[in-house]
Amino acid sequence: EPEVTQTPSHQVTQMGQEVILRCVPISNHLYFYWYRQILGQKVEFLVSFYNNEISEKSEIFDDQFSVERPDGSNFTLKIRSTKLEDSAMYFCASSEDQGGEQFFGPGTRLTVL
Amino acid sequence: RKEVEQDPGPFNVPEGATVAFNCTYSNSASQSFFWYRQDCRKEPKLLMSVYSSGNEDGRFTAQLNRASQYISLLIRDSKLSDSATYLCVVSRWTGGRRALTFGSGTRLQVQP
Repeated sequence: EPEVTQTPSHQVTQMGQEVILRCVPISNHLYFYWYRQILGQKVEFLVSFYNNEISEKSEIFDDQFSVERPDGSNFTLKIRSTKLEDSAMYFCASSEDQGGEQFFGPGTRLTVL
Repeated sequence: RKEVEQDPGPFNVPEGATVAFNCTYSNSASQSFFWYRQDCRKEPKLLMSVYSSGNEDGRFTAQLNRASQYISLLIRDSKLSDSATYLCVVSRWTGGRRALTFGSGTRLQVQP
C-alpha cells in the first residue's frame, strides 16, 4: 500500500540553526500539507501546497518557515532559524484531490536545544 | 472558545464495553467532519468520515448534529486494540482548499 514517508525520523538541532524536514508524498497525490504537534498538544495545521505554490497557511507559518517541492517527489519544510518552541513532531500529509482523505506520514520529531 | 472541543479523558473501559465520545465545534461554516485515531507517538490515521445522516463502520458509529454543532463516535464491543487517542477533526473549504482543524483528542484505554 502506498504511504507517505518522512526523513529524518528525529532531528536534533541548536537554537538558531536551519533545518530541512523532508517528505515524499504518495506518488499520484497533488495536494500536500504540513502539520505540527507539540508534545501533549493537538495537531495544528501549518500550510497546504498545490501546483507549486502555497494554497493556505496558518498564523504559525511565519517568515521563518518555507516549503518547497524541489523535484517530482520530495516536499520539504524549512525552518530558517529554529527556536526552542519549534520543538515538536512535524507531520507531512498528502491527498489525491482537494476533498480527498489526507494520508499522514510517520512524522519527524524535531528537538531544538 | 476552542474551534474543536473534546473531553480529554481518559476513558477507562473493560473489554466488550460500549463507549461514546462527543465533540463540539464552533465554526458553523465547517463542512466536513472526521474521526481520526492516533496511537502514542504515531501519526493520525483516518478512522471514518462523519456524514449528516450518520454512518457505521463495523463496531464504530458516527453521528453529526449540525444544529447543535456536535459530533459523536460510538465504539461497541471494545477491544484492547482500540486503546488510542481519538481525534475529532473538522474542515471547511477556503477558496477551494481544505485544512484540517483537530481537537485535542480523547484518550481511550481498554482494559482486560
